[in-house]
Amino acid sequence: AQSVTQLDSQVPVFEEAPVELRCNYSSSVSVYLFWYVQYPNQGLQLLLKYLSGSTLVKGINGFEAEFNKSQTSFHLRKPSVHISDTAEYFCAVSLTQGGSEKLVFGKGTKLTVNP
Amino acid sequence: NAGVTQTPKFQVLKTGQSMTLQCAQDMNHEYMSWYRQDPGMGLRLIHYSVGAGITDQGEVPNGYNVSRSTTEDFPLRLLSAAPSQTSVYFCASTPSGRTADTQYFGPGTRLTVL
Repeated sequence: AQSVTQLDSQVPVFEEAPVELRCNYSSSVSVYLFWYVQYPNQGLQLLLKYLSGSTLVKGINGFEAEFNKSQTSFHLRKPSVHISDTAEYFCAVSLTQGGSEKLVFGKGTKLTVNP
Repeated sequence: NAGVTQTPKFQVLKTGQSMTLQCAQDMNHEYMSWYRQDPGMGLRLIHYSVGAGITDQGEVPNGYNVSRSTTEDFPLRLLSAAPSQTSVYFCASTPSGRTADTQYFGPGTRLTVL
């Protein structure tokens, strides 16, 4: 079955350190890729998305992600995190199954930024 | 624009009770959906609608009912609440049914079933 795997359920980092949140998916066809962020006690909001074109995608709040087709990955990165980046991050992939499009979410990665 | 709104924010039910979670959007989006979020499970699709009068089941539809009489509103009904339905529920909307669209999420309803 086609799926989305977020390899780390929790990632603790210190403020101003770089961070990478990993996402892999299983699909043999073209896909659309998304990262959503959920701040405490809020709904999800879009960080960035890849539809086509340049494989390096820049999003809000200094985040970026790189689509790697050969490794079927879409890892999220930020060179220097802030306390305010503490949140849960969800990778999502749109897949075509049986002729219909379907959006599949990963299980989430909780990023905790410590002072 | 208020975006996607959900009421109530919190709700406690007893097993067997019924209730309706409200969802409304003011962006004139055709596509609306309901997800549940459980720890370590991510988001799972319950039901969705591609337009007024049209609804369909998602990944985990059992125990839930939906209808879509207007473009703006998409209520989710729990017919007979069970402890397994304790979760955080999110409503989302997109301009069309294409998965390339950005999903706009409401703030969520935290439901506890005792």
